[in-house]
Amino acid sequence: EAQVTQNPRYLITVTGKKLTVTCSQNMNHEYMSWYRQDPGLGLRQIYYSMNVEVTDKGDVPEGYKVSRKEKRNFPLILESPSPNQTSLYFCASSSSGGGKEFFGPGTRLTVL
Amino acid sequence: DAKTTQPNSMESNEEEPVHLPCNHSTISGTDYIHWYRQLPSQGPEYVIHGLTSNVNNRMASLAIAEDRKSSTLILHRATLRDAAVYYCILFWSGANNLFFGTGTRLTVIP
Repeated sequence: EAQVTQNPRYLITVTGKKLTVTCSQNMNHEYMSWYRQDPGLGLRQIYYSMNVEVTDKGDVPEGYKVSRKEKRNFPLILESPSPNQTSLYFCASSSSGGGKEFFGPGTRLTVL
Repeated sequence: DAKTTQPNSMESNEEEPVHLPCNHSTISGTDYIHWYRQLPSQGPEYVIHGLTSNVNNRMASLAIAEDRKSSTLILHRATLRDAAVYYCILFWSGANNLFFGTGTRLTVIP
């Protein structure tokens, strides 16, 4: 089954404790991205990647890092999480930028 | 990013057609019109997209105005499972992200 998976689905952590949210897709897509969703603000893109070793900032990249060492994986790294990063995070992939995007189930992160 | 305007919410009776409007008066010639929906507690899901002509698929139909400044997503027979937030998005082929906006929350009444 074609899908995008994320782990963990739920995470509660404390300020400053580094964390990684993993994202994997099994569709051989070149393009992957991360979004965060906050009430009243809709979904906003954090980072995207057009292929292995090619990443770029989206609309709200501050406080986040990403890497794309393999085509299928695109982890989101929070080096020093802060409470304003409490949000619902979605990973997405597509065969090309501008095309139909497939979204993961989401990761609900709470930073205390 | 070219912006879209959608009503905040709409209601429909079950098994009746639903017409979800979207205005995009600043659309450019290279912008595709995409629709996604987000069911409760799930990630967004692609519904349909088009450029100039009306489009149909198993989920819905997309009617695009002749001047392309507005479009309508049509669900032919609403079911309870169609209750979701529907997003109308303009997307040019070289873009790197989807600008979701706040969408239309569709409530389906049994």
